[in-house]
Amino acid sequence: AQSVTQLGSHVSVSEGALVLLRCNYSSSVPPYLFWYVQYPNQGLQLLLKYTTGATLVKGINGFEAEFKKSETSFHLTKPSAHMSDAAEYFCAVRISGSARQLTFGSGTQLTVLP
Amino acid sequence: GAGVSQTPSNKVTEKGKYVELRCDPISGHTALYWYRQSLGQGPEFLIYFQGTGAADDSGLPNDRFFAVRPEGSVSTLKIQRTERGDSAVYLCASSLKPRDIDMNTEAFFGQGTRLTVV
Repeated sequence: AQSVTQLGSHVSVSEGALVLLRCNYSSSVPPYLFWYVQYPNQGLQLLLKYTTGATLVKGINGFEAEFKKSETSFHLTKPSAHMSDAAEYFCAVRISGSARQLTFGSGTQLTVLP
Repeated sequence: GAGVSQTPSNKVTEKGKYVELRCDPISGHTALYWYRQSLGQGPEFLIYFQGTGAADDSGLPNDRFFAVRPEGSVSTLKIQRTERGDSAVYLCASSLKPRDIDMNTEAFFGQGTRLTVV
């Protein structure tokens, strides 16, 4: 069975600073990996995804993530935080085969300080 | 509609009562998912529909939970004899049919229904 671990339930950064949100997964087969963002009282929005091919994936709002198979990681980064980035971020995995659903991590709340 | 619509947005019910939560997916999306998000946790899978049939209901916690999608569009999640532990945000998502070869079809999420059992 697959699982997702997000290190750090809360992360605070200053505006303009680097954002790094950590995600590690476990899967016995090659995974598909996703990052979602959830703003207050809104649904989950897809930021970016990795399926196959290039391991560095660029998403919306300046975010990117790198799939590192040797480290079983898919950390999310953004070079310069903006106040509007404050939200909760979820890493998720979907395994190949018959499963269609996503398995989510427990989330990381990002706070951006002025 | 433009996005996945869930109603009601909030539901407060008494322990032991029956509740129904509705999901209206994006038009043309044949795949529909229900997830449950407890406080401080990520969403947990409940059930997946492809068309009218439940293709995977392995996430339903017990037989008090049931979901239907009779016409392959709107879905209703039904919870019988609600318990305080059922309190959570129930999320619905829809997507085009995930193809066997390419499983990266994006799922679009609704805003959820916040269920509180008192």
